[in-house]
Amino acid sequence: DSGVTQTPKHLITATGQRVTLRCSPRSGDLSVYWYQQSLDQGLQFLIQYYNGEERAKGNILERFSAQQFPDLHSELNLSSLELGDSALYFCASSSSGSGYNEQFFGPGTRLTVL
Amino acid sequence: AQSVAQPEDQVNVAEGNPLTVKCTYSVSGNPYLFWYVQYPNRGLQFLLKYITGDNLVKGSYGFEAEFNKSQTSFHLKKPSALVSDSALYFCAVRDMHTGFQKLVFGTGTRLLVSP
Repeated sequence: DSGVTQTPKHLITATGQRVTLRCSPRSGDLSVYWYQQSLDQGLQFLIQYYNGEERAKGNILERFSAQQFPDLHSELNLSSLELGDSALYFCASSSSGSGYNEQFFGPGTRLTVL
Repeated sequence: AQSVAQPEDQVNVAEGNPLTVKCTYSVSGNPYLFWYVQYPNRGLQFLLKYITGDNLVKGSYGFEAEFNKSQTSFHLKKPSALVSDSALYFCAVRDMHTGFQKLVFGTGTRLLVSP
């Protein structure tokens, strides 16, 4: 168990809908990362937050947004969902935002868009 | 931009034999390299990292990796494979070029250890 929790584990929704994925980092970790894993795109970095502030942005679509709250949990919001958004979404946390430290991954949320 | 390549989609090895999972990197500046493993229906788990220092890095579960600057490689190795090592392995590099604090992952190599 990495200490990173993600809810829900599975999510099934329809095209055009909006969903929110939630992540709680390991105790004491200030940095949260979001990744998307799909068969055709592999593991793609989406966005990073450090202590409430956005630190880095990757291949995140404009329809997607995220935030990190004062208690350090993070939410990833996906809107106007398309079939191609079906994927595993992982959250990871690390103690710093420097990138030198290893990241600890949660179990993921499997999103299915029908 | 920083990148890593994992040239093999799958590696097959018999239990008890040594295993190698290959990774090559392309970076500007000093590379910061990581190996992660993903078991079915689980998140990625950290195995080891190279930041600086000894070229042979020891990690979790008996794995080690050899950093080779001249060949720009960071291959993952284990002297004696176990069936339980069967999983998906990812090499990753810290992206520093743009100042972004992110990891760039390879496409993954599936390791299959047969009894």
